[in-house]
Amino acid sequence: EPEVTQTPSHQVTQMGQEVILRCVPISNHLYFYWYRQILGQKVEFLVSFYNNEISEKSEIFDDQFSVERPDGSNFTLKIRSTKLEDSAMYFCASTMTANSNQPQHFGDGTRLSIL
Amino acid sequence: GDSVTQMEGPVTLSEEAFLTINCTYTATGYPSLFWYVQYPGEGLQLLLKATKADDKGSNKGFEATYRKETTSFHLEKGSVQVSDSAVYFCALRSTGANSKLTFGKGITLSVRP
Repeated sequence: EPEVTQTPSHQVTQMGQEVILRCVPISNHLYFYWYRQILGQKVEFLVSFYNNEISEKSEIFDDQFSVERPDGSNFTLKIRSTKLEDSAMYFCASTMTANSNQPQHFGDGTRLSIL
Repeated sequence: GDSVTQMEGPVTLSEEAFLTINCTYTATGYPSLFWYVQYPGEGLQLLLKATKADDKGSNKGFEATYRKETTSFHLEKGSVQVSDSAVYFCALRSTGANSKLTFGKGITLSVRP
């Protein structure tokens, strides 16, 4: 069964540095998402992306965050200048259609640790 | 805005016990409802879904019924196994283009032999 893959599985970075988290969505999916889960808290929506544009973003997704689909397969999340509070598990998800009855398929996540 | 409320955890059960995990929601319109499961060290996997009122989603012995009158989507299993130990998330996806998932806090289930 096709799956969403994320790399790296764990990223350790010094505060203030830039990080790029990578995702390869399922190949025929068109809608892409990033979520994050701070340890012990709920999974929170960050951003949705379709047709090379951001469709929706949460208040968490401020100017230090950006997303990109640089080629036909990768979907990246960049955090420009990391802060301690960015430490979390980041999940990428994709879905084929925008219909609300379609589930989103998730990757295994990247654990980001900011020192 | 949309929200999902799950019962407080963690939950610890003996093998073969009956499981109920409560979930209630607030949303405009007619959302689709989902249960996701996160096994230790893994990502989020879809467990089951229901897309309209009175629908029952089921998978791996788990069931949940979409109750619009009580805005609930409680997860049940008649006989849990040790391998069911995981974190369970209730989520909804509202109508509207490219709609995001809204998750509950999740609840950790531990099943002991």
